[in-house]
Amino acid sequence: AQSVTQPDIHITVSEGASLELRCNYSYGATPYLFWYVQSPGQGLQLLLKYFSGDTLVQGIKGFEAEFKRSQSSFNLRKPSVHWSDAAEYFCAALMEYGNKLVFGAGTILRVKS
Amino acid sequence: DGGITQSPKYLFRKEGQNVTLSCEQNLNHDAMYWYRQDPGQGLRLIYYSQIVNDFQKGDIAEGYSVSREKKESFPLTVTSAQKNPTAFYLCASSIAGRYEQYFGPGTRLTVT
Repeated sequence: AQSVTQPDIHITVSEGASLELRCNYSYGATPYLFWYVQSPGQGLQLLLKYFSGDTLVQGIKGFEAEFKRSQSSFNLRKPSVHWSDAAEYFCAALMEYGNKLVFGAGTILRVKS
Repeated sequence: DGGITQSPKYLFRKEGQNVTLSCEQNLNHDAMYWYRQDPGQGLRLIYYSQIVNDFQKGDIAEGYSVSREKKESFPLTVTSAQKNPTAFYLCASSIAGRYEQYFGPGTRLTVT
């Protein structure tokens, strides 16, 4: 079945430390891939997307993600986390025509000062 | 300001009542979507519409209904047949032919 897996439910990092959130997908071909961020009680904001081409993509708020076909992964990274980055992060994949996004369960990021 | 609006932010209903959630967008997007979010389960697709007067069921359409009479509007009705309606509901839209979806602020529905 087509699926997106975010193995970490919660991650805690210190302010100023680097961050990597993991995402794996299960699909026969390369899907379109997205990372979204959600603050409590709010909608989702698109951080970045990968359709094709350069496997390292830059997004907003200093985030980047790297697509690795061999590992079916699309991990999100940030070199230095700020307290305002505390939120829930969702990886999503578009695996077939029709704009049906498949979401991972989310990773809650806590930032400690 | 272009964007997606959902109203109300919070909605309370008694069990057995139908309730309609509003979603309006002024982005001129052709496609619109409704998702349900429950803690620890990510987002699940309820219904989507690629064009006016047409819509398709998503993964969890049972107990829900939609209409798409105007390009800007995609209301969702949670019927009394929905067994567990309490959740956070998110509306999204995208440009036909492109794939990023943009989300509204959500409506939290509580049914008691």
